[in-house]
Amino acid sequence: QSALTQPRSVAGSPGQSVTISCTGTSIDVGGYSYVSWYQQHPGKAPKRMIYDVSKRPSGVPDRFSGSKSGNTASLTISGLRAEDEGDYYCCSYAGSYSHILFGGGTKLTVL
Amino acid sequence: QVQLQESGPGLVKPSETLSVTCVVSGGYIGSFYWSWIRQPPGKGLEWIGHIYYSGNTNYNPSLKSRVTISADTSRNQISLQLRSVTAADTAVYYCARSSVDTTFDDWGQGTLVIVSS
Repeated sequence: QSALTQPRSVAGSPGQSVTISCTGTSIDVGGYSYVSWYQQHPGKAPKRMIYDVSKRPSGVPDRFSGSKSGNTASLTISGLRAEDEGDYYCCSYAGSYSHILFGGGTKLTVL
Repeated sequence: QVQLQESGPGLVKPSETLSVTCVVSGGYIGSFYWSWIRQPPGKGLEWIGHIYYSGNTNYNPSLKSRVTISADTSRNQISLQLRSVTAADTAVYYCARSSVDTTFDDWGQGTLVIVSS
């Protein structure tokens, strides 16, 4: 099964908002409320920012929010800060056969 | 705070078996899902598979024929074996802990394994 589709890059200025999309199909993103988002800085392990579409783990700023419409999930980062720069990956449950799919990743640049 | 520490051989020859281990400290491996996820240099993440502490496993269909994930509760560690490796298996291999099998709560720092003769 193919990876989920994300834009290769997005950019925004400090204080602005950016949205990263993650497009799948009805048997992954669209079929379950199990989309999560991970932030990765260079040379570091990924860190979970959102799970179950829109839930934030303890310690993640409320500037990070998630949503889903149909087969597309979105991560919105408001009040951009320099430390938000990095790669972001979406992830979806895809049923008992494929189980877990990742997106190809989006590089966020804070201008 | 649980800590996950991966370790591996660093270099594996083509056609051989890649073996990496994740030692868990600050918590018991029971009642959690333990996944292996890999990331080729400069590329994205790929889920390899997971094991529940009871021993039940699920694998990525594209790797299933070559993968075995196991858990040693006495040593509190998780292991990954990937057989018949090629250069395409060169990656950083991460272990991750989950309370459910649909997301990854905590990650180790990863271990780089290069497949080369």
